[in-house]
Amino acid sequence: NAGVTQTPKFQVLKTGQSMTLQCAQDMNHNSMYWYRQDPGMGLRLIYYSASEGTTDKGEVPNGYNVSRLNKREFSLRLESAAPSQTSVYFCASQGQGAGGNYGYTFGSGTRLTVV
Amino acid sequence: GQQLNQSPQSMFIQEGEDVSMNCTSSSIFNTWLWYKQDPGEGPVLLIALYKAGELTSNGRLTAQFGITRKDSFLNISASIPSDVGIYFCAGQLSSAAGNKLTFGGGTRVLVKP
Repeated sequence: NAGVTQTPKFQVLKTGQSMTLQCAQDMNHNSMYWYRQDPGMGLRLIYYSASEGTTDKGEVPNGYNVSRLNKREFSLRLESAAPSQTSVYFCASQGQGAGGNYGYTFGSGTRLTVV
Repeated sequence: GQQLNQSPQSMFIQEGEDVSMNCTSSSIFNTWLWYKQDPGEGPVLLIALYKAGELTSNGRLTAQFGITRKDSFLNISASIPSDVGIYFCAGQLSSAAGNKLTFGGGTRVLVKP
């Protein structure tokens, strides 16, 4: 099915380890986003890419880096994981759907635990 | 930055009941969106609103874009067990920098024991 694919689905890291969360979309969307979801805080924007070749900081960018590898792929990297980065991470892409819908399409999330 | 206050934070429903939740913002938005998230999944778009005052329905769901552009509500009529989940409002203010969404904290809908 067309959509947003995130890998891995689950990950446990030790403090100080690094890892990259992968995201790919096959809907030819220009914009892609990384959010984190913590209990009671909704979704907070980490980084986004309005178009291929551009990236910008969101609300909570500290401790993260991103790469817009091509139009399809947008990865999120944790260089030195901290327990405060334990969260569920969602990637999303945005395009114009039927009826002028500008809503995001979300992946199913990556559940990251840092111990 | 912009903040969305969503209420209630949680609610219990009984099958057949109507439920309502709302979002208010300190800033205006051009678009209001309502999402539902099931356990272990990402949010899924339910309704999108593009004009102040707009009232839109999607099956048993009805949402309105407040006339001040700073608020929105979502109603679910005749609730059923599969309505359980977390509902998020989101506001969008398009700019040259992109179409970022700001999310509310969510309303967790649970079934009355």
